[in-house]
Amino acid sequence: QVQLVQSGAEVKRPGASVKVSCKASGYSFSSYTMHWVRQAPGQRLEWMGWISAGNVNTKYSQKFQGRVTLTSDTSASTLYMELSSLRSEDTAVYYCVRGPGTYFDYWGQGTLVTVSS
Amino acid sequence: QSALTQPASVSGSPGQSITISCTGTSSDVGGYNYVSWYQQHPGKAPKYMIYEVSNRPSGVSNRFSGSKSGNTASLTISGLQAEDEADYYCSSYTSSSTYVFGIGTKVTVL
Repeated sequence: QVQLVQSGAEVKRPGASVKVSCKASGYSFSSYTMHWVRQAPGQRLEWMGWISAGNVNTKYSQKFQGRVTLTSDTSASTLYMELSSLRSEDTAVYYCVRGPGTYFDYWGQGTLVTVSS
Repeated sequence: QSALTQPASVSGSPGQSITISCTGTSSDVGGYNYVSWYQQHPGKAPKYMIYEVSNRPSGVSNRFSGSKSGNTASLTISGLQAEDEADYYCSSYTSSSTYVFGIGTKVTVL
């Protein structure tokens, strides 16, 4: 079955960077676009960006442009999301999500990133 | 990209039907049949319930249905059950090749 297993919770200082990983299994990793979505405590879902199948293209939300980098290691079936210049407003649960089309079918368990001095 | 507009809360009694609206613009909801809906229980990851406006994934109850008219999409839950109490989010593909979520609607079963 499809599984997306993310790395553990992180605590970072303001101004630092964080890199979250997401290991996929149970399907052909290179055949699907993957997305990252975040959710601040008590807030709505927020789409951050996608990386195309085969790691060819990326597209980022204008809100995160310049601060977020999505990469993948197809040999390890693993995705990465790096967010830089962290501020307190970046405290959120970050999800990796599979995108079979223009929707999101399988979600990782989420990674809590806390930004605090 | 502004969030899609949803009512903050909707409630209904068991067995009733409720409808959640999701309003965007011609650059997102109105421009494409690429609206999807997600159910999220507290502390859990979202689960997709409807894709491409009105398609239901296998395993999702046929009590859930979706539609769209102009710039507004809707999710209807019929025969409301206690387990339907959750937050619901709509999402749409946009003309910028990005995605946008709604602000979310809390469904309460009275």
